[in-house]
Amino acid sequence: NAGVTQTPKFQVLKTGQSMTLQCAQDMNHNSMYWYRQDPGMGLRLIYYSASEGTTDKGEVPNGYNVSRLNKREFSLRLESAAPSQTSVYFCASTWTGGLFYGYTFGSGTRLTVV
Amino acid sequence: AQSVTQLGSHVSVSEGALVLLRCNYSSSVPPYLFWYVQYPNQGLQLLLKYTTGATLVKGINGFEAEFKKSETSFHLTKPSAHMSDAAEYFCAVSPNAGNNRKLIWGLGTSLAVNP
Repeated sequence: NAGVTQTPKFQVLKTGQSMTLQCAQDMNHNSMYWYRQDPGMGLRLIYYSASEGTTDKGEVPNGYNVSRLNKREFSLRLESAAPSQTSVYFCASTWTGGLFYGYTFGSGTRLTVV
Repeated sequence: AQSVTQLGSHVSVSEGALVLLRCNYSSSVPPYLFWYVQYPNQGLQLLLKYTTGATLVKGINGFEAEFKKSETSFHLTKPSAHMSDAAEYFCAVSPNAGNNRKLIWGLGTSLAVNP
């Protein structure tokens, strides 16, 4: 029972490089989310996908793009990494069809941009 | 707009003492309420939730929280702290309206447990 799987767990990028963070869930959830976590700033929503085929901006979307590849997978892309994007990134998912039981989170990707 | 306030970014207790982490929210509709815990270098784990029904909610690891509508609060408590409770705790709220499942997060409270 894997839950939400994020890859990679750690990454160091040089300024201007690009990369894609991968997220997959095996719980048949329809909604998926990307957050970044920075000290003292809590969790900030970057993008979310309410259902397969839809994506929407969150609080801090600038510098990021997302793809909801299928119901299971939701990727986050940094086209040209900047030091301000140094952060811990979390993917989460949930089912919105009935009572809300909260999100299930992945273990995170720790990204450093130098 | 909904918001969540966690009073105290850092709380320190002695092992065996009462743990009280405060959470107040604002919401125009009856909310869903959550507490998550994050251990160092890990993801967030659901501690407990209030969705409907009984206002005193019990979670994992001996934690509980009470939904008080009149005070718009959802404080987290544990009668006796253990060293393993040292972690970051996040309160979150979602409006109980339709299929909106976006969570509004507090900034977190870091709990230290002293021997």
